[in-house]
Amino acid sequence: DVKVTQSSRYLVKRTGEKVFLECVQDMDHENMFWYRQDPGLGLRLIYFSYDVKMKEKGDIPEGYSVSREKKERFSLILESASTNQTSMYLCASYGAADYGYTFGSGTRLTVV
Amino acid sequence: AQSVTQPDIHITVSEGASLELRCNYSYGATPYLFWYVQSPGQGLQLLLKYFSGDTLVQGIKGFEAEFKRSQSSFNLRKPSVHWSDAAEYFCAVGSGGYNKLIFGAGTRLAVHP
Repeated sequence: DVKVTQSSRYLVKRTGEKVFLECVQDMDHENMFWYRQDPGLGLRLIYFSYDVKMKEKGDIPEGYSVSREKKERFSLILESASTNQTSMYLCASYGAADYGYTFGSGTRLTVV
Repeated sequence: AQSVTQPDIHITVSEGASLELRCNYSYGATPYLFWYVQSPGQGLQLLLKYFSGDTLVQGIKGFEAEFKRSQSSFNLRKPSVHWSDAAEYFCAVGSGGYNKLIFGAGTRLAVHP
């Protein structure tokens, strides 16, 4: 079964900390995405990557960066965490063979 | 710009009743459309998707959706709701050459016994 794995299910960090959220897929997909989910707002795209070392900003990139050094791994970085980044973060990958997206289980990040 | 609107934030139905969740999209080309469900504390599960062809799409768990180009809609339906269907439902459109998914704000479904 194909999988997208997010390294942490729950995370609590302090304001100002640098935070890394990790996502790994085992499907050899080119495209990977980071979304943020907030009540009443649905899922909003933060960043995506269409190849190793390639990245594009989504709709809400401010305060975030990403890294994709290997095809299977896509990391979201909060350079200096703030309380308004408290949210659920979802990673996804896309496979062209069946136009299929696979989502991870999410990381619930709380910044205190 | 592409967008997805789910007009209903909350819907409550009785178990056994029929259900229709509304979704309207804005997209210049032929859209790829999706419905996902998210149970509390869980990730997103794909219910169904539309790429082309028959405008009535069958999905998992007894759900179906109908693509209506003239109305820019992709409404989700189920003839008889079960208590286990209580969850949040998201409509999404596949957008652009990088295959981004643009999501609606979601509809939270409550099911009364």
